[in-house]
Amino acid sequence: EPEVTQTPSHQVTQMGQEVILRCVPISNHLYFYWYRQILGQKVEFLVSFYNNEISEKSEIFDDQFSVERPDGSNFTLKIRSTKLEDSAMYFCASSAQAAEAFFGQGTRLTVV
Amino acid sequence: AQSVTQLGSHVSVSEGALVLLRCNYSSSVPPYLFWYVQYPNQGLQLLLKYTTGATLVKGINGFEAEFKKSETSFHLTKPSAHMSDAAEYFCAVSDVHQGAQKLVFGQGTRLTINP
Repeated sequence: EPEVTQTPSHQVTQMGQEVILRCVPISNHLYFYWYRQILGQKVEFLVSFYNNEISEKSEIFDDQFSVERPDGSNFTLKIRSTKLEDSAMYFCASSAQAAEAFFGQGTRLTVV
Repeated sequence: AQSVTQLGSHVSVSEGALVLLRCNYSSSVPPYLFWYVQYPNQGLQLLLKYTTGATLVKGINGFEAEFKKSETSFHLTKPSAHMSDAAEYFCAVSDVHQGAQKLVFGQGTRLTINP
């Protein structure tokens, strides 16, 4: 069964450093997403991506965040200068047209 | 704006007992509704979804949910709990019927099964 894969499963980084979280969406899906879940809180939408551009982003997704689909298979989330409050589980998801989202296993980001 | 409220952050039932996890939503347009399950150290897995048509939807692992527009609810049930059902359950709503589906999640309900 096709699945969304995310790497790494756990990333520890120092405050102020840049991190890139990687995702391989399901191959025939058209829409890509990042969500995050701070420990003990709700899963929150960050951004959606379609046709090589952002289709929607939340208030959380400020200038420190960017997304890219560099090679037609990977979908990345970059945080330019990490803050302690960026520590969370980050989920990548993908969907086909008008269909449910399939989520990856998540990357746990710890900023120290 | 859409929102989802899950009543009860923790629910505990005995093995073999009925599971009922409550979800209420608000949406200005006919919603798409979802239940996702998260097992420990795993991602979110879709249990079931409601888009249009039949209001009682069946999902994986014996779960089902009923869309009740008048009550703005989408409660999740399973007639007989199994130990393997222990997990966190998330209700989500989307108001987008085409294109990218932004999901708004509830805060989650942790289900514990007692032997």
